[in-house]
Amino acid sequence: SQQGEEDPQALSIQEGENATMNCSYKTSINNLQWYRQNSGRGLVHLILIRSNEREKHSGRLRVTLDTSKKSSSLLITASRAADTASYFCATDRGTGGFKTIFGAGTRLFVKA
Amino acid sequence: EPEVTQTPSHQVTQMGQEVILRCVPISNHLYFYWYRQILGQKVEFLVSFYNNEISEKSEIFDDQFSVERPDGSNFTLKIRSTKLEDSAMYFCASLNGRGPEATEAFFGQGTRLTVV
Repeated sequence: SQQGEEDPQALSIQEGENATMNCSYKTSINNLQWYRQNSGRGLVHLILIRSNEREKHSGRLRVTLDTSKKSSSLLITASRAADTASYFCATDRGTGGFKTIFGAGTRLFVKA
Repeated sequence: EPEVTQTPSHQVTQMGQEVILRCVPISNHLYFYWYRQILGQKVEFLVSFYNNEISEKSEIFDDQFSVERPDGSNFTLKIRSTKLEDSAMYFCASLNGRGPEATEAFFGQGTRLTVV
């Protein structure tokens, strides 16, 4: 079964607005991570939230985790054109063969 | 800031040829991974490597693929006989812990493989 399904698939907002992306997953996890990918480039780690944490902040980023609903959200406040990218959530089950499973990503487009 | 480096950044190869993608993980990390991303699609897990052996591999990682850590610093992915559908961006990642102690996986910038 596939872990880490993000929604929406695509999001278009004006600069200065907030952007919220959601991620759902299926099995229990040790942590959940959000990554950013600019078109055709590598994956940049944004934030990691552990299963015993509910909320985490990093600059303009705010991540929440609800393990009862198996979901997470990424909020980018006061968005900028430079935030235009694809955002992925990745879950680490940490049991047996450890691996990070990615969702399909949300494409965020911030209009200047 | 430590980083994972991958070479080459772009490789073009003829169908049927062998390719080796190279990665230098962060020096004190213990767990190594290869992922691939076909253009416009999701990032897919290929294989994880720990203690000089494969920990887990996906169904994508068939007999045409192999990994090794030949010299304690490089981590390579070999595709023996490339197919057109192997064209993708290949990402290497490393991390230093697992389970509750795990930190984020550090990813390289990727190697874009084009099979013609």
